[in-house]
Amino acid sequence: DGGITQSPKYLFRKEGQNVTLSCEQNLNHDAMYWYRQDPGQGLRLIYYSQIVNDFQKGDIAEGYSVSREKKESFPLTVTSAQKNPTAFYLCASGATTGTQYFGPGTRLLVL
Amino acid sequence: AQSVTQLDSQVPVFEEAPVELRCNYSSSVSVYLFWYVQYPNQGLQLLLKYLSGSTLVKGINGFEAEFNKSQTSFHLRKPSVHISDTAEYFCAVRGSHGSGNTGKLIFGQGTTLQVKP
Repeated sequence: DGGITQSPKYLFRKEGQNVTLSCEQNLNHDAMYWYRQDPGQGLRLIYYSQIVNDFQKGDIAEGYSVSREKKESFPLTVTSAQKNPTAFYLCASGATTGTQYFGPGTRLLVL
Repeated sequence: AQSVTQLDSQVPVFEEAPVELRCNYSSSVSVYLFWYVQYPNQGLQLLLKYLSGSTLVKGINGFEAEFNKSQTSFHLRKPSVHISDTAEYFCAVRGSHGSGNTGKLIFGQGTTLQVKP
Protein backbone atom coordinates (compact mmCIF):
# COMPACT_ATOMS: atom_id res chain seq x y z
CA ASP A 1 0.00 0.00 0.00
CA GLY A 2 1.69 3.24 -1.12
CA GLY A 3 1.72 6.30 1.06
CA ILE A 4 3.32 8.40 3.73
CA THR A 5 3.55 7.36 7.37
CA GLN A 6 4.32 9.55 10.33
CA SER A 7 5.05 8.42 13.86
CA PRO A 8 4.21 8.82 16.59
CA LYS A 9 0.68 10.21 16.34
CA TYR A 10 1.18 12.09 19.64
CA LEU A 11 4.50 13.14 21.16
CA PHE A 12 5.22 14.77 24.49
CA ARG A 13 8.31 16.89 25.03
CA LYS A 14 9.84 17.87 28.35
CA GLU A 15 11.65 21.15 28.90
CA GLY A 16 15.13 21.12 27.33
CA GLN A 17 14.55 17.86 25.48
CA ASN A 18 15.15 17.13 21.82
CA VAL A 19 12.51 14.97 20.13
CA THR A 20 12.46 13.37 16.68
CA LEU A 21 9.43 12.94 14.44
CA SER A 22 9.54 10.18 11.88
CA CYS A 23 8.37 10.44 8.25
CA GLU A 24 8.59 7.59 5.75
CA GLN A 25 7.29 7.37 2.17
CA ASN A 26 7.13 4.53 -0.36
CA LEU A 27 5.92 6.67 -3.26
CA ASN A 28 9.42 6.91 -4.77
CA HIS A 29 9.26 10.71 -4.56
CA ASP A 30 12.52 12.66 -4.65
CA ALA A 31 11.20 15.64 -2.70
CA MET A 32 10.05 15.68 0.93
CA TYR A 33 8.77 18.50 3.13
CA TRP A 34 8.02 19.33 6.75
CA TYR A 35 5.28 21.79 7.73
CA ARG A 36 4.10 23.18 11.00
CA GLN A 37 0.40 23.93 11.49
CA ASP A 38 -0.94 26.23 14.19
CA PRO A 39 -4.61 27.17 14.59
CA GLY A 40 -5.57 30.00 12.25
CA GLN A 41 -2.11 30.19 10.64
CA GLY A 42 -2.29 27.66 7.84
CA LEU A 43 0.82 25.64 7.01
CA ARG A 44 4.34 26.99 7.36
CA LEU A 45 7.33 25.29 5.75
CA ILE A 46 10.09 24.21 8.12
CA TYR A 47 12.54 22.30 5.90
CA TYR A 48 12.48 20.60 2.53
CA SER A 49 14.68 18.20 0.61
CA GLN A 50 14.70 17.70 -3.15
CA ILE A 51 17.26 14.89 -3.16
CA VAL A 52 19.05 12.53 -0.82
CA ASN A 53 21.81 14.12 1.29
CA ASP A 54 20.58 17.63 0.55
CA PHE A 55 18.02 19.86 2.27
CA GLN A 56 17.11 23.54 2.56
CA LYS A 57 15.61 25.74 5.22
CA GLY A 58 12.03 26.82 4.85
CA ASP A 59 10.36 29.84 6.37
CA ILE A 60 10.60 28.81 10.05
CA ALA A 61 13.68 26.55 10.37
CA GLU A 62 15.01 27.97 13.64
CA GLY A 63 14.94 25.38 16.42
CA TYR A 64 14.56 22.45 14.02
CA SER A 65 16.95 20.10 12.23
CA VAL A 66 16.54 17.39 9.58
CA SER A 67 18.50 14.71 7.77
CA ARG A 68 17.96 12.92 4.45
CA GLU A 69 20.15 9.85 4.37
CA LYS A 70 17.64 7.71 2.49
CA LYS A 71 15.14 8.59 -0.22
CA GLU A 72 12.31 7.11 1.81
CA SER A 73 12.99 8.88 5.10
CA PHE A 74 13.05 12.51 6.27
CA PRO A 75 13.10 12.74 10.10
CA LEU A 76 12.58 16.07 11.85
CA THR A 77 14.20 16.89 15.20
CA VAL A 78 12.62 19.56 17.36
CA THR A 79 15.48 20.88 19.45
CA SER A 80 15.44 22.55 22.85
CA ALA A 81 16.07 25.84 21.02
CA GLN A 82 12.49 25.76 19.72
CA LYS A 83 10.73 27.62 22.53
CA ASN A 84 7.18 27.14 21.30
CA PRO A 85 7.04 23.63 19.83
CA THR A 86 3.39 22.82 20.51
CA ALA A 87 1.82 22.31 17.08
CA PHE A 88 0.62 19.79 14.52
CA TYR A 89 3.49 18.65 12.27
CA LEU A 90 2.83 17.45 8.75
CA CYS A 91 5.22 15.66 6.44
CA ALA A 92 4.70 15.59 2.67
CA SER A 93 6.41 14.11 -0.34
CA GLY A 94 6.32 15.59 -3.81
CA ALA A 95 5.86 14.36 -7.35
CA THR A 96 7.59 16.01 -10.31
CA THR A 97 4.43 17.99 -11.11
CA GLY A 98 4.72 19.63 -7.73
CA THR A 99 1.75 17.80 -6.28
CA GLN A 100 2.44 17.10 -2.64
CA TYR A 101 0.96 14.19 -0.72
CA PHE A 102 0.65 14.40 3.04
CA GLY A 103 1.06 12.05 5.94
CA PRO A 104 -1.43 11.84 8.83
CA GLY A 105 0.53 14.21 11.08
CA THR A 106 2.13 14.22 14.52
CA ARG A 107 0.78 16.36 17.34
CA LEU A 108 3.56 17.60 19.62
CA LEU A 109 2.69 18.70 23.13
CA VAL A 110 4.89 20.15 25.84
CA LEU A 111 4.75 18.74 29.36
CA ALA B 1 7.07 36.36 -4.55
CA GLN B 2 3.92 34.27 -4.63
CA SER B 3 1.06 34.54 -2.19
CA VAL B 4 -2.39 33.03 -1.71
CA THR B 5 -5.43 34.67 -0.15
CA GLN B 6 -8.47 32.71 0.91
CA LEU B 7 -11.10 35.36 1.22
CA ASP B 8 -13.29 33.69 3.84
CA SER B 9 -12.03 32.15 7.07
CA GLN B 10 -15.38 30.45 7.74
CA VAL B 11 -18.26 29.55 5.45
CA PRO B 12 -21.46 28.26 7.06
CA VAL B 13 -23.92 26.58 4.71
CA PHE B 14 -26.97 24.34 4.98
CA GLU B 15 -26.88 20.76 3.77
CA GLU B 16 -27.74 20.31 0.07
CA ALA B 17 -27.04 23.99 -0.66
CA PRO B 18 -24.33 25.04 -3.14
CA VAL B 19 -21.04 26.46 -1.87
CA GLU B 20 -18.10 28.44 -3.23
CA LEU B 21 -14.79 28.81 -1.40
CA ARG B 22 -12.76 31.68 -2.80
CA CYS B 23 -9.05 31.70 -3.51
CA ASN B 24 -6.95 34.44 -5.12
CA TYR B 25 -3.24 34.24 -5.79
CA SER B 26 -0.46 36.57 -6.86
CA SER B 27 2.48 35.45 -8.94
CA SER B 28 4.75 36.87 -11.59
CA VAL B 29 5.15 33.48 -13.27
CA SER B 30 2.80 30.82 -14.55
CA VAL B 31 1.48 28.60 -11.80
CA TYR B 32 0.11 25.28 -10.74
CA LEU B 33 -2.85 25.45 -8.36
CA PHE B 34 -4.18 23.01 -5.78
CA TRP B 35 -7.04 22.54 -3.33
CA TYR B 36 -6.61 20.29 -0.29
CA VAL B 37 -9.09 19.22 2.39
CA GLN B 38 -8.25 18.51 6.02
CA TYR B 39 -10.56 16.67 8.41
CA PRO B 40 -9.96 17.15 12.17
CA ASN B 41 -6.64 15.75 13.39
CA GLN B 42 -5.75 14.36 9.98
CA GLY B 43 -3.32 15.21 7.20
CA LEU B 44 -4.22 17.06 4.03
CA GLN B 45 -5.93 15.19 1.19
CA LEU B 46 -5.66 16.41 -2.40
CA LEU B 47 -9.07 17.47 -3.77
CA LEU B 48 -8.04 18.67 -7.21
CA LYS B 49 -5.29 20.43 -9.12
CA TYR B 50 -4.77 22.64 -12.14
CA LEU B 51 -1.55 22.05 -14.06
CA SER B 52 -2.54 23.03 -17.62
CA GLY B 53 -5.30 22.57 -20.19
CA SER B 54 -8.98 23.02 -19.38
CA THR B 55 -9.58 25.75 -16.86
CA LEU B 56 -12.44 23.80 -15.25
CA VAL B 57 -11.01 21.08 -13.07
CA LYS B 58 -13.03 18.31 -11.48
CA GLY B 59 -11.93 16.63 -8.29
CA ILE B 60 -13.01 14.09 -5.75
CA ASN B 61 -16.23 14.17 -3.71
CA GLY B 62 -18.07 16.23 -6.35
CA PHE B 63 -15.89 19.33 -6.05
CA GLU B 64 -14.71 21.41 -8.99
CA ALA B 65 -12.66 24.57 -9.43
CA GLU B 66 -12.14 27.08 -12.21
CA PHE B 67 -8.81 28.68 -13.01
CA ASN B 68 -9.25 32.30 -14.05
CA LYS B 69 -5.93 33.74 -15.16
CA SER B 70 -7.17 37.30 -15.71
CA GLN B 71 -8.62 37.46 -12.21
CA THR B 72 -5.86 35.30 -10.68
CA SER B 73 -8.47 33.18 -8.97
CA PHE B 74 -9.08 29.48 -8.39
CA HIS B 75 -12.43 29.23 -6.60
CA LEU B 76 -13.70 25.87 -5.34
CA ARG B 77 -17.36 24.94 -5.85
CA LYS B 78 -19.77 22.16 -5.04
CA PRO B 79 -23.41 22.21 -6.21
CA SER B 80 -24.81 20.37 -3.17
CA VAL B 81 -22.89 19.87 0.09
CA HIS B 82 -23.23 17.10 2.65
CA ILE B 83 -22.63 17.09 6.39
CA SER B 84 -19.50 15.03 5.69
CA ASP B 85 -17.99 17.95 3.74
CA THR B 86 -17.47 19.83 7.02
CA ALA B 87 -13.69 20.34 7.11
CA GLU B 88 -10.88 22.85 6.55
CA TYR B 89 -10.00 23.62 2.93
CA PHE B 90 -6.65 24.94 1.75
CA CYS B 91 -5.73 26.56 -1.55
CA ALA B 92 -2.08 26.35 -2.63
CA VAL B 93 0.10 27.63 -5.49
CA ARG B 94 3.54 26.91 -6.89
CA GLY B 95 5.44 28.10 -9.92
CA SER B 96 5.30 25.81 -12.93
CA HIS B 97 8.41 24.12 -14.29
CA GLY B 98 11.00 26.39 -15.84
CA SER B 99 10.30 29.29 -13.52
CA GLY B 100 13.14 28.36 -11.18
CA ASN B 101 10.71 27.27 -8.50
CA THR B 102 11.88 24.61 -6.06
CA GLY B 103 8.55 22.81 -5.89
CA LYS B 104 7.56 24.63 -2.73
CA LEU B 105 3.85 25.16 -2.22
CA ILE B 106 2.52 28.42 -0.86
CA PHE B 107 -0.66 27.84 1.16
CA GLY B 108 -3.56 30.10 1.99
CA GLN B 109 -4.73 30.46 5.57
CA GLY B 110 -7.56 27.97 5.11
CA THR B 111 -11.35 28.17 5.02
CA THR B 112 -13.51 26.24 7.47
CA LEU B 113 -16.62 24.88 5.78
CA GLN B 114 -19.41 24.25 8.29
CA VAL B 115 -22.32 22.29 6.85
CA LYS B 116 -25.46 22.51 8.96
CA PRO B 117 -28.38 20.07 8.87
